[in-house]
Amino acid sequence: IAGITQAPTSQILAAGRRMTLRCTQDMRHNAMYWYRQDLGLGLRLIHYSNTAGTTGKGEVPDGYSVSRANTDDFPLTLASAVPSQTSVYFCASSVDGQETQYFGPGTRLLVL
Amino acid sequence: GENVEQHPSTLSVQEGDSAVIKCTYSDSASNYFPWYKQELGKGPQLIIDIRSNVGEKKDQRIAVTLNKTAKHFSLHITETQPEDSAVYFCAAQYSYNFGNEKLTFGTGTRLTIIP
Repeated sequence: IAGITQAPTSQILAAGRRMTLRCTQDMRHNAMYWYRQDLGLGLRLIHYSNTAGTTGKGEVPDGYSVSRANTDDFPLTLASAVPSQTSVYFCASSVDGQETQYFGPGTRLLVL
Repeated sequence: GENVEQHPSTLSVQEGDSAVIKCTYSDSASNYFPWYKQELGKGPQLIIDIRSNVGEKKDQRIAVTLNKTAKHFSLHITETQPEDSAVYFCAAQYSYNFGNEKLTFGTGTRLTIIP
């Protein structure tokens, strides 16, 4: 069982470009989350999905969009990247919204 | 919403000594408090958690205590070892209705174990 996988591992992106970060889990968890991690700010929730077909906004959703077409996948899209979106992005999942969240290995994104 | 404060931001202890990291939260409705360990270049990994109906929980060298009246919880690591060096995050889960429970994280503590 792989748990949660994220791709790519790292990426350098020109400002203005579109980018999709991929997240896949094989645990059949209902809930999935996207966080960004910045030095001194900890982990902040971008978007979440309680179950396939539903999504919601977190603490810092501006400039990001998500979709949840099925249980396993939860891609995060930056429609037009800006330098302030330089960060490490973590995907997480939980059985449902009340249970422990398990994190993926992260995607390191640099926007120039 | 919930606000979680974590102290200290950095902590260095001699190998074999104990380490204590403290967090406070603002919303008395929060009911679940996990602790995560993050090693360099990796994602956060759950090490221990506690729910609001329990005051203390222990797992080998790691323990967590919760004081709901004061709204603070702490991580205790005893007999520290070099592999305990990492960044530790506390979090509080707030349930504003079923199916909408979210974690709010502290800003992290970088723990260094000195051999």
